[in-house]
Amino acid sequence: QPVLTQSSSASASLGSSVKLTCTLSSRHSRYIVTWHQQQPGKAPRYLMRVEYNGIYHRGSGVPDRFSGSASGADRYLTISNLQSDDEADYYCETWDNNYWVFGGGTKLTV
Amino acid sequence: EVQLLESGGGLVQPGGSLRLSCAPSEFVLSNYEMNWVRQAPGKGLEWVSFISSSGRSTYVADSVKGRFTISRDNAKNSLYLQMNSLGVEDTAVYYCTRVGSMSGRGWSYYYMDVWGKGTTVTVSS
Repeated sequence: QPVLTQSSSASASLGSSVKLTCTLSSRHSRYIVTWHQQQPGKAPRYLMRVEYNGIYHRGSGVPDRFSGSASGADRYLTISNLQSDDEADYYCETWDNNYWVFGGGTKLTV
Repeated sequence: EVQLLESGGGLVQPGGSLRLSCAPSEFVLSNYEMNWVRQAPGKGLEWVSFISSSGRSTYVADSVKGRFTISRDNAKNSLYLQMNSLGVEDTAVYYCTRVGSMSGRGWSYYYMDVWGKGTTVTVSS
């Protein structure tokens, strides 16, 4: 099964940008990764999926301040023009052979 | 707005059973594969179980294998999770999620694109 590694925390200022990283295990470096946002006290919300070549597909209603990219085994979620309600936990996820795996999540402080 | 709504959570004693339900709004359940995902207090997300759109294929995480059973009734537009032999480690918020898919030449990928609001299961004596 793939393993997804995320930093436990990140911080950035209002109006700035932040790039969150999700690293796939080396054997699974070409896998697609999905990003989810979980605001405090709320259910997770689908943000986008990011392919190995950097192509990303945002979910319906997700602002274009959210973008994705990739490099090798890393999949990135970049949030521009940070707002206060971007403060949340961000989880990456992938699928392999009828099994889903989540990263440990990154707690973003704005 | 596309939504999912879970129900059936509550307080149960160790060794007990509980059945969760999930109902969609603004989409027809029978057209989609579905998952259950849980989140223990203060912890991250953990995938629990998958069911195909027809219900013929199911998969469960090792942590719940032999105790949890996923099912669906497309005629009733409902998804279920039967949880038996519950332990304190099963205490969590349980979410149902819709599964989206994409495919190319010789490959496919499945991802969770709609989340429910969650239902809380507490296992305690």
